[in-house]
Amino acid sequence: GENVEQHPSTLSVQEGDSAVIKCTYSDSASNYFPWYKQELGKRPQLIIDIRSNVGEKKDQRIAVTLNKTAKHFSLHITETQPEDSAVYFCAAIVGNEKLTFGTGTRLTIIP
Amino acid sequence: KAGVTQTPRYLIKTRGQQVTLSCSPISGHRSVSWYQQTPGQGLQFLFEYFSETQRNKGNFPGRFSGRQFSNSRSEMNVSTLELGDSALYLCASSPPTGTTGELFFGEGSRLTVL
Repeated sequence: GENVEQHPSTLSVQEGDSAVIKCTYSDSASNYFPWYKQELGKRPQLIIDIRSNVGEKKDQRIAVTLNKTAKHFSLHITETQPEDSAVYFCAAIVGNEKLTFGTGTRLTIIP
Repeated sequence: KAGVTQTPRYLIKTRGQQVTLSCSPISGHRSVSWYQQTPGQGLQFLFEYFSETQRNKGNFPGRFSGRQFSNSRSEMNVSTLELGDSALYLCASSPPTGTTGELFFGEGSRLTVL
């Protein structure tokens, strides 16, 4: 089955700096890669996703890049703000099979 | 539209007992997935139901089971509870788009096993 590894497990950045979280996946047939944000005590919510026919996708301050050859994808957050502090999960899926999540990255924005 | 609703939100059980958790998906959503969330382990997939049929299953022991009703509401059951079953159990529903899409999570049921 699919295996998703996520790094780093914790990340602290100064407010205004950029943050990058990286994930690798094992199944080359995976074709959908979402990122979820979970604020403390809240439910996970989708913030951005990318499909295998696209190399990069942006939405304001967040972007995701996908390298199918290397089987890794990354989340980039620019101009970080205090409200970006949360746990971020990457995930990968093959077709209608189960969505496999990474173990999460706790991002802390230092004011 | 109402979001995904999970009940109960909090519960405490003792080892050996069993527990049933309930999930009501967003109206019109037919797929319901269950995840176990523990510190350091992220979101572990339990199972997914679609139109009352289990479509996918994770690597959990047979003590974990689930079902889905004709109105898409789902329940999961854990029998013979162990201390390690203490976790936040999240339910998520997704719309019938025909392709993989966004999961809408509930707020979870936090289970503590003493």
